[in-house]
Amino acid sequence: AQSVTQPDIHITVSEGASLELRCNYSYGATPYLFWYVQSPGQGLQLLLKYFSGDTLVQGIKGFEAEFKRSQSSFNLRKPSVHWSDAAEYFCAVAPRFNNAGNMLTFGGGTRLMVKP
Amino acid sequence: DVKVTQSSRYLVKRTGEKVFLECVQDMDHENMFWYRQDPGLGLRLIYFSYDVKMKEKGDIPEGYSVSREKKERFSLILESASTNQTSMYLCASRGRADTQYFGPGTRLTVL
Repeated sequence: AQSVTQPDIHITVSEGASLELRCNYSYGATPYLFWYVQSPGQGLQLLLKYFSGDTLVQGIKGFEAEFKRSQSSFNLRKPSVHWSDAAEYFCAVAPRFNNAGNMLTFGGGTRLMVKP
Repeated sequence: DVKVTQSSRYLVKRTGEKVFLECVQDMDHENMFWYRQDPGLGLRLIYFSYDVKMKEKGDIPEGYSVSREKKERFSLILESASTNQTSMYLCASRGRADTQYFGPGTRLTVL
């Protein structure tokens, strides 16, 4: 069965520091890959997604993610974190077939705290 | 912008009560979803619907049912609420693209 692992439950970084959130997946074939962010009291907002092509994907709010097939990873990065980035981040995967978007599997989430 | 709304942000119910959670989307999306979110477990799919009156079980359908009488509205029903159904419930919708859009969530407490 497919699974998504986010090894870090909590991460704390200083404002202005760089950030990397890890995501590993276990899947039969390369899936579609997503990162979502959930601010306190809010629903999930899509940050970025990878379907094919360039393995470095740019998203909103200055985030990017890199797909590495050999490592089954899709890590999220930001060069300089802002206090407003404090939130919970979820990695998700979906299989590559019709209606793939219906079959999201989520990781457990990583809660990011930002120190002033 | 896609808008997905949920009828309540916070709800408190008693064990054994019948609970209705409502979700409405305004983008004419065919697909709608209900998830529950628990700490450390991420989101888990309860049910989804790909058309009016059509539904499919997700990963954790036990104790829940759904209703989709109109395209824009998808209801989650807890026939007899139990304490282990205390959770955050998130609704989402998806059009033809492979991206799901989420509502703000309903935090349900069952006493």
